[in-house]
Amino acid sequence: GAGVSQSPRYKVAKRGQDVALRCDPISGHVSLFWYQQALGQGPEFLTYFQNEAQLDKSGLPSDRFFAERPEGSVSTLKIQRTQQEDSAVYLCASSLVGVADTQYFGPGTRLTVL
Amino acid sequence: AQTVTQSQPEMSVQEAETVTLSCTYDTSESDYYLFWYKQPPSRQMILVIRQEAYKQQNATENRFSVNFQKAAKSFSLKISDSQLGDAAMYFCAYKKGAQKLVFGQGTRLTINP
Repeated sequence: GAGVSQSPRYKVAKRGQDVALRCDPISGHVSLFWYQQALGQGPEFLTYFQNEAQLDKSGLPSDRFFAERPEGSVSTLKIQRTQQEDSAVYLCASSLVGVADTQYFGPGTRLTVL
Repeated sequence: AQTVTQSQPEMSVQEAETVTLSCTYDTSESDYYLFWYKQPPSRQMILVIRQEAYKQQNATENRFSVNFQKAAKSFSLKISDSQLGDAAMYFCAYKKGAQKLVFGQGTRLTINP
């Protein structure tokens, strides 16, 4: 079956612009996670949804970052007034809801802020 | 807070040889999950192998196996018969329940033909 998909794959933004990154999880996956991966580093957690409920947003670095999943499927990560330090790869992962369930990742969106 | 440490930023191995990547972690929990993910240049994070902390038996997946030492909080990955397609960044990760993954800094693995 289809895996996790993300769009766009690449995004270039001028400093101060708003961007929206999309994630389509695996069909039937209840849990959805967003991670930020800086160059040469491991991914770091941003936020977590179970269905449409955002259960953990402790990793969002500032109030410029906002995520939503209104119908419990597709999710959008929005970054307002982008800054150069926002440049990174943004990874989305989905899983079933059980504690033992593995997270499956999408290909990521590489965001470059000029 | 849980932390994951990979002390080898880079490793290299000859094709067909065996290589071991190291990972240690810190947690006060007794029940958790550990993973190795592979990230090639395409950026797609691919699951290599997983280990449940309550299982004493080390997980294996074809050429990939782990050495899980719970008391030492160590979780190394052994790749046997290395192939050119194994070249990638490898990340060790920890998960408690249905929660976020905590990743290490990664090890870049190079396969020499």
